[in-house]
Amino acid sequence: NAGVMQNPRHLVRRRGQEARLRCSPMKGHSHVYWYRQLPEEGLKFMVYLQKENIIDESGMPKERFSAEFPKEGPSILRIQQVVRGDSAAYFCASSPQVLGTEAFFGQGTRLTVV
Amino acid sequence: ILNVEQSPQSLHVQEGDSTNFTCSFPSSNFYALHWYRWETAKSPEALFVMTLNGDEKKKGRISATLNTKEGYSYLYIKGSQPEDSATYLCAFPAGNTGKLIFGQGTTLQVKP
Repeated sequence: NAGVMQNPRHLVRRRGQEARLRCSPMKGHSHVYWYRQLPEEGLKFMVYLQKENIIDESGMPKERFSAEFPKEGPSILRIQQVVRGDSAAYFCASSPQVLGTEAFFGQGTRLTVV
Repeated sequence: ILNVEQSPQSLHVQEGDSTNFTCSFPSSNFYALHWYRWETAKSPEALFVMTLNGDEKKKGRISATLNTKEGYSYLYIKGSQPEDSATYLCAFPAGNTGKLIFGQGTTLQVKP
């Protein structure tokens, strides 16, 4: 059973371009969470999705950021018109249920905006 | 605003020393307390998920205790080894969505 897979591991984008980050949860996990680690900061929650539905996006910036978790395929975190402040490590985690169990993390995507 | 505090921020010990760190979390609306170990260039890996007041869990040389009434958890490492060097994160699920509020972590460096 492969772990949580994120790709790409590293992504460089120029200001104004779009960034697409992909996350394939562990097999059998229908709960996906995205977290962001800005430089010199801890992990911060962005969005929680459960197959085709966004359940909680309270940590996601209102503009330029969107997330989806389609019926088939990986979860996508999309950042439009990237700015330098978007440079960060973005981590995806999945779990088999909402509460009481551990979350399994991917290795992250390090986004650098130049 | 829910806040999770960890101390110390960093710790340097000699191989063979035992050590412990603290995680403080809101004591109201408690669901669970998670501990993760995060090695450089790897993904955070769960150590424990603790749910009951007074709970004590152990994995090898690492153990953790939980006090939900006063809102703290301790992580202990007995006889630290260089491979224990990592950042140890605690996290508190906020609400009923399972989203985790993380502390800033305690970074442990074990010198051979």
